Amino acid sequence: QKEVEQNSGPLSVPEGAIASLNCTYSDRGSQSFFWYRQYSGKSPELIMFIYSNGDKEDGRFTAQLNKASQYVSLLIRDSQPSDSATYLCASPGTGSYKLIFGSGTRLLVRP
Amino acid sequence: GAVVSQHPSRVICKSGTSVKIECRSLDFQATTMFWYRQFPKQSLMLMATSNEGSKATYEQGVEKDKFLINHASLTLSTLTVTSAHPEDSSFYICSASGLAGDQETQYFGPGTRLLVL
Repeated sequence: QKEVEQNSGPLSVPEGAIASLNCTYSDRGSQSFFWYRQYSGKSPELIMFIYSNGDKEDGRFTAQLNKASQYVSLLIRDSQPSDSATYLCASPGTGSYKLIFGSGTRLLVRP
Repeated sequence: GAVVSQHPSRVICKSGTSVKIECRSLDFQATTMFWYRQFPKQSLMLMATSNEGSKATYEQGVEKDKFLINHASLTLSTLTVTSAHPEDSSFYICSASGLAGDQETQYFGPGTRLLVL
């Protein structure tokens, strides 16, 4: 069974620090990966997607993909209290458009 | 781009009644729409995948006769919870894909909170 694993947290970081969120996946054929942010009581919001090995940067966010080790991570620089949320990692796996979601990592940024 | 709306945002109904939830892609044609359910402090659970003009594909354990899905156009899908019961109370979220031909990236609607009394 295809799986996406995340540490549930909470991951607590001080304001201004770098938050590092990690995700591993079981399907070696997975090609694309998505990071969503979900505030409590709200629906998920797309932050970034990454298809290629290496880093992809967008503002304060950097997604990192290592297909050989089957992990993908999200770095948030200069973390703000408003970044406090649950971050979901997802991948469609092989041969499907259905996203397989991790259980999410709760991030808490302390003022 | 990639705005998805849902209506209503919140609904309270009596046990035994049916509730219809609409999901619209406002600025793109969504070839596929997905319906999820999320209970408090739990993960998203995919209920069904819907393609325009064809029958929805339901996930294992989801009753297709209870959760009716219609995807009549490339911008509208509806989920009808028939004969709702208190255990159906949940946060229902749709998503849509197909922006610029990208079938993988899903954009979520704001969700509909259902409370069945």
